[in-house]
Amino acid sequence: QKEVEQDPGPLSVPEGAIVSLNCTYSNSAFQYFMWYRQYSRKGPELLMYTYSSGNKEDGRFTAQVDKSSKYISLFIRDSQPSDSATYLCAMSEGGGADGLTFGKGTHLIIQP
Amino acid sequence: DVKVTQSSRYLVKRTGEKVFLECVQDMDHENMFWYRQDPGLGLRLIYFSYDVKMKEKGDIPEGYSVSREKKERFSLILESASTNQTSMYLCASSPMTMYQETQYFGPGTRLLVL
Repeated sequence: QKEVEQDPGPLSVPEGAIVSLNCTYSNSAFQYFMWYRQYSRKGPELLMYTYSSGNKEDGRFTAQVDKSSKYISLFIRDSQPSDSATYLCAMSEGGGADGLTFGKGTHLIIQP
Repeated sequence: DVKVTQSSRYLVKRTGEKVFLECVQDMDHENMFWYRQDPGLGLRLIYFSYDVKMKEKGDIPEGYSVSREKKERFSLILESASTNQTSMYLCASSPMTMYQETQYFGPGTRLLVL
């Protein structure tokens, strides 16, 4: 089964807050985990890419993967109005060129 | 930067028409993908290709076909468009390397079938 669960929101937070976005999944074979940001009427843009469990940091963004709990997170520090978008988690088993399995996305609103 | 372009941003077609959606990538990626995105359903994989003239069905291939005659170009074909194919169509590409799971998306084509 390839289900990925993600709260659709909207999630509204004040500027400067720390944002936590999450996904859960059921397929224990997933090894590659990604976060995409999608602005309205645009294509998804790759934000973070991680393999297996652990943390990865890139500027204000931190991705965490806990394979034992089948739970991944994206943290945004010092959130800005320009971070307002839909955030999609995506994952794959890897080892081939098959497509990703996406969550349905969380709509994030950063209030100035 | 990777660039994936799609032939149209917006398209209006009538039921029964044959529709071609074109996608071109300029990074010499081996893998290319077509998704559709619908409110409440998220992104769903239609077809993908890992080489010229190769194609694989995704999760929802019914009513669609694809063509990949050149490495940089991947076309999605709606043989006889229906109203339930009204959607946002997204093309993506990825390299055949250790980062092949990192897919890069085009801007999307919003298709309306009347």
